[in-house]
Amino acid sequence: QKEVEQDPGPLSVPEGAIVSLNCTYSNSAFQYFMWYRQYSRKGPELLMYTYSSGNKEDGRFTAQVDKSSKYISLFIRDSQPSDSATYLCAMSVQGAQKLVFGQGTRLTINP
Amino acid sequence: GAVVSQHPSRVICKSGTSVKIECRSLDFQATTMFWYRQFPKKSLMLMATSNEGSKATYEQGVEKDKFLINHASLTLSTLTVTSAHPEDSSFYICSAKLNQETQYFGPGTRLLVL
Repeated sequence: QKEVEQDPGPLSVPEGAIVSLNCTYSNSAFQYFMWYRQYSRKGPELLMYTYSSGNKEDGRFTAQVDKSSKYISLFIRDSQPSDSATYLCAMSVQGAQKLVFGQGTRLTINP
Repeated sequence: GAVVSQHPSRVICKSGTSVKIECRSLDFQATTMFWYRQFPKKSLMLMATSNEGSKATYEQGVEKDKFLINHASLTLSTLTVTSAHPEDSSFYICSAKLNQETQYFGPGTRLLVL
């Protein structure tokens, strides 16, 4: 079993829809949770990060962490074609150097 | 957000030659940088952790004599692919650690070995 599981998709939704992206994990020591967006042939771009449980909102993006269920989510409201990309979840343990990544979900927003 | 640059963005080289890729943190100092490799439609594979002023820590299965890493300053880490072969062709991405919560990634370097 991988430490972090993420459905690779592909996920295709119409413009304006609410998108839900999710990751599950097995290591209960993870405390830092991040979402990265990666366009084709580009480096990942940090979208959101949260510490421990709870919600965080930034514009159209909301990140949720449920440590009791070992489940994190990224919601995108009013999705736009420019949101089409691969979304990677990542997490780390307190004091750790490395991030553990999910496989990434390929998302396409259709005009 | 913090900015990380990589140079070159793409490089084509002949088999047997060496290629150096630079990773710079432009607006912050990074004692720790990371080098990743990414295959098409796959996630990031960590190759090594680069610590300023000390030897890099390589992940299992990564040849340290083939992928030389130098982190001579707080804003620069380099990855040298020595005696490159076609199977080394890939997308190489670096990241720099700003703090516990965040790593910022460079735009990547596409290497093609002929």
